[in-house]
Amino acid sequence: NAGVMQNPRHLVRRRGQEARLRCSPMKGHSHVYWYRQLPEEGLKFMVYLQKENIIDESGMPKERFSAEFPKEGPSILRIQQVVRGDSAAYFCASSVAEGNSYEQYFGPGTRLTVT
Amino acid sequence: AQSVTQLDSQVPVFEEAPVELRCNYSSSVSVYLFWYVQYPNQGLQLLLKYLSGSTLVESINGFEAEFNKSQTSFHLRKPSVHISDTAEYFCAVRGGSQGNLIFGKGTKLSVKP
Repeated sequence: NAGVMQNPRHLVRRRGQEARLRCSPMKGHSHVYWYRQLPEEGLKFMVYLQKENIIDESGMPKERFSAEFPKEGPSILRIQQVVRGDSAAYFCASSVAEGNSYEQYFGPGTRLTVT
Repeated sequence: AQSVTQLDSQVPVFEEAPVELRCNYSSSVSVYLFWYVQYPNQGLQLLLKYLSGSTLVESINGFEAEFNKSQTSFHLRKPSVHISDTAEYFCAVRGGSQGNLIFGKGTKLSVKP
């Protein structure tokens, strides 16, 4: 049973370009969380999705960031017109169900560098 | 609002010495606490968790943490560390009704020979 997959592992973008980060949850998991880790900081929650639904996006910046989790295929975190401050590691986690007792399994992360 | 504080950003120790990584939380609701470990350039792995029941929880590799409600703490301990324990350790609390995690800033444990 493969774990949570993220690609690409490393992504370099110039300022103003778009970044697309992909997350394939573990088999059987329909809940996806995205977190961002800035240098010297802990992970910060961004968004929580279920298939075809955004459940909680309270941690998402209001502009340029969007996320989706379609019926088929991976979850996508999209950052438009990237700026240097977007440079960070982006992790997704998946769980089998909603609720505090269900473990979140983390992917290896995508390290975004904006030049 | 819930929050997590890890007071020590870096903890250097010698191999086979004991270690304690401190974690304090604030929460006005039921508490679910976690410790994650992150090795360089890797994702987070769950080390141990407290959901309910016994306040002392243990991992398979010798770490343990004790939930202390009166002190709002969930410190991580190991009686004898190995070089392979060198990593960054994150304490987290489950926040909100949706289950998203709230993390501390992390503690880098460096084990020296």
